[in-house]
Amino acid sequence: ETGVTQSPTHLIKTRGQQVTLRCSSQSGHNTVSWYQQALGQGPQFIFQYYREEENGRGNFPPRFSGLQFPNYSSELNVNALELDDSALYLCASSLAVGLGPLEQYFGPGTRLTVT
Amino acid sequence: GDSVTQMEGPVTLSEEAFLTINCTYTATGYPSLFWYVQYPGEGLQLLLKATKADDKGSNKGFEATYRKETTSFHLEKGSVQVSDSAVYFCALSDLNNDMRFGAGTRLTVKP
Repeated sequence: ETGVTQSPTHLIKTRGQQVTLRCSSQSGHNTVSWYQQALGQGPQFIFQYYREEENGRGNFPPRFSGLQFPNYSSELNVNALELDDSALYLCASSLAVGLGPLEQYFGPGTRLTVT
Repeated sequence: GDSVTQMEGPVTLSEEAFLTINCTYTATGYPSLFWYVQYPGEGLQLLLKATKADDKGSNKGFEATYRKETTSFHLEKGSVQVSDSAVYFCALSDLNNDMRFGAGTRLTVKP
């Protein structure tokens, strides 16, 4: 069983640029969630995708957007990067089989640095 | 909204000491509760979970009991090892499925 993978591992961007982060979900999982983890903090929920549709969103501006593909992999796009966007971005996958809280499995994360 | 509060760290213990990391939650519904562990430079790993009141989650010697009356989910281990040094996160998830995390507690175990 393949776990959650993310790419790239590290990324350095300049303020104002755009970035795309990628995530492959664990085999058999159909739901992907993205989190931002600032240094020394707990992860903050950005949004979740289920069957290629956004299925919930946290308190993040519209310049944070995402996609989910038919194979359940996902992308996180951030436009107009700001210095405060520097963080570890975590992807988590889970299997939605009906109502109820889902157990999520996390990837190793992408460390984004904005200068 | 739903939230999690966990004890601030860092926590430093000697090997074989008893560990408790406190976690309390606020939720309008009946969430599932989780403990995740993060080792340096890595993502989060699920340590244990509990889905309803009075459930006890356990794994690798760690335990936590879902206490609805005190809205708590404290993490305990009877004898910690150096390899348990990591950051521990308490989290909850409700029907909306967005997971809310505490700020994390850094544990350092010294030989």
